[in-house]
Amino acid sequence: EIVLTQSPGTLSLSPGERATLSCRASQSFSSAYLAWYQQKPGQAPRLLIYAAGSRATGVPGRFSGSGSGTDFTLTISRVEPEDFAMYYCQQYGSSPPYTFGQGTKLEIK
Amino acid sequence: QVQLQESGPGLVKPSETLSLTCSVSGGSISGFHWTWIRQPPGKGLEWIGSMYNTGSTNYNPSLKGRVTISVDTSKSHFSLSLTSVTAADTAVYYCARGSVSSAYFYFWGQGTLVTVSS
Repeated sequence: EIVLTQSPGTLSLSPGERATLSCRASQSFSSAYLAWYQQKPGQAPRLLIYAAGSRATGVPGRFSGSGSGTDFTLTISRVEPEDFAMYYCQQYGSSPPYTFGQGTKLEIK
Repeated sequence: QVQLQESGPGLVKPSETLSLTCSVSGGSISGFHWTWIRQPPGKGLEWIGSMYNTGSTNYNPSLKGRVTISVDTSKSHFSLSLTSVTAADTAVYYCARGSVSSAYFYFWGQGTLVTVSS
């Protein structure tokens, strides 16, 4: 099973700042199988990024994903007020179980 | 627009079976991956299992053979059965749709809280 570790646990930023969220895997896998989700309280997760760097339909351009091997990053170029939420990475490689990171909370500073 | 809606009991007794259904509207149930994911209160996301467009299934080994996922194409819904539940199974349960070939999830249900308690 691939374990995903997200850092930091909590990221405190002001609107307009750049956010960099990390997702590190316990073993290397294809970047084709890494997704990022945003979750707000009381809501289902929302797909932001798939295949490490492809934005899902309707996702603003300030969200971008990158990485390969064991290290992946979600970047929000300029954080907007509506971006404060939990973020999860997920790997969905050819061999289940599919796993999620434990999450990074993006909070208002 | 594809919409998913979970339904089922909100309270299940320990040792009994948790059964949930996900109704799919706005799109075909055929040809996609269908998945159940859960989230214990205040915690992260856990993949439970998936049924693929081939009809095959995969389940999380951590659930030790307690899980069954099935699809009823005639009713446009898919189901989750989790046997021998304990308090550790208390969670919000989500159904989700993967793509044709990959298990990332664009469409989600709103989630349903299932509490295991006597």
